[in-house]
Formats: sequence, C-alpha cells, structure tokens
Amino acid sequence: GENVEQHPSTLSVQEGDSAVIKCTYSDSASNYFPWYKQELGKRPQLIIDIRSNVGEKKDQRIAVTLNKTAKHFSLHITETQPEDSAVYFCAAVWGAGGTSYGKLTFGQGTILTVHP
Amino acid sequence: KAGVTQTPRYLIKTRGQQVTLSCSPISGHRSVSWYQQTPGQGLQFLFEYFSETQRNKGNFPGRFSGRQFSNSRSEMNVSTLELGDSALYLCASSLVGGNEQYFGPGTRLTVT
Repeated sequence: GENVEQHPSTLSVQEGDSAVIKCTYSDSASNYFPWYKQELGKRPQLIIDIRSNVGEKKDQRIAVTLNKTAKHFSLHITETQPEDSAVYFCAAVWGAGGTSYGKLTFGQGTILTVHP
Repeated sequence: KAGVTQTPRYLIKTRGQQVTLSCSPISGHRSVSWYQQTPGQGLQFLFEYFSETQRNKGNFPGRFSGRQFSNSRSEMNVSTLELGDSALYLCASSLVGGNEQYFGPGTRLTVT
C-alpha cells in the first residue's frame, strides 16, 4: 500500500522566515497531494493541494511543489507569522476514474513553531 | 454552507463496552471517510462510505464498523472497546469520494 514519509518532525523558525516541509510517497500511481494544517484542539484544515499533472501551485504565502520522478512534494511557507504555528500533514492519494474512494494516506506530521 | 459536524464531541467508555459516533457531512457531499488520530500512529484511514455502501476499508479489526444513511449522514461503531481505542475519531466529507476532503471537529474517545 501507499506509504508517506514526512520531514522534519519539528521545525522552529523566526517570524518572517520561510519554512519548508518535505514528503515522499511510495506509490508512483498517486495522483493527488493535499496539505492539512491542524491547530491545537482543532480539526485538520485543507490549506492547499496539487494534482499529479501540475508541478507547482501557489496561494498567497503558501506553495506546493511536486517532483513525480523523485516521488516527493514539498510545502513552502514564506513570510511566516506566529499564527502559522500548527501541525502540518501531507497526504497522498491514488485515485481512478476521478475518485480516490476516500482514502488519504498521511505523513506523520510536522510541528511548526513560529517565534515572534 | 455548514461544515462537517460530529457528535458527541467527547466520550468516556469502559473496556468491553461499545460506542457509536455520528457524522453529518457538508450539504451535497455524498462521501464520508473516517480516520483515527493518535499521537503514536498519526492519522489512519478507517473506511469510506458513498451512497450507503462501504467502498474502501483500512487495516482495522472487524470491531470497527460503520454505515451511511440515505441523507449521507454516517455512523461508526466500535464494539468490545480496548484501551488502545482511545483516540480522536475524525470524519471527513467530499463530493463524490473525490480528493478534497473536509474534516469535522472529531470525537475524543477515552477508554478506561
């Protein structure tokens, strides 16, 4: 089955710095890669995603890049702010016919701390 | 649109008991997936329902089961509870089992 490795497990940055979180996946057939942000005591929130036919996607201060050959994808957060502090999860999905049958395989998570 | 809702939010049960958790998806969403979140194992997929049918299942014992109703609301049941079942149980909905999944707030289950 699919396996997703996420690094680093913890990341500490100063406000204004950039943060990068990396994930690798095992199933070359995976074709959808979402990122979730989970604040303490809150639900995971979808913040950005990318499909296998796209190499990069950007939304304001966050961006995701995908390297299908190397089977890895990364989350980039620029100009970090204290409110970016949370646990970030990557996930990979294999889908056929437009559906993944609901199964997201998650990485282990990265605790991001942004110091003011 | 209202988000995904889950009830109850907190639950304390004793070993050997059973529990039922409920999930109401976003209006119009027909797929509901369930996940277990623990500090040690992270987020793990339990199962997915679409149009009242289980379409996909993770690697959990048969004590974990679920169902979906015609209005897309879903329930999951855990029988013969074990201490290791203590976790945050999250459900997520999507349009047709598509990739964008939106999570509910979760049910925190504690087994004593």
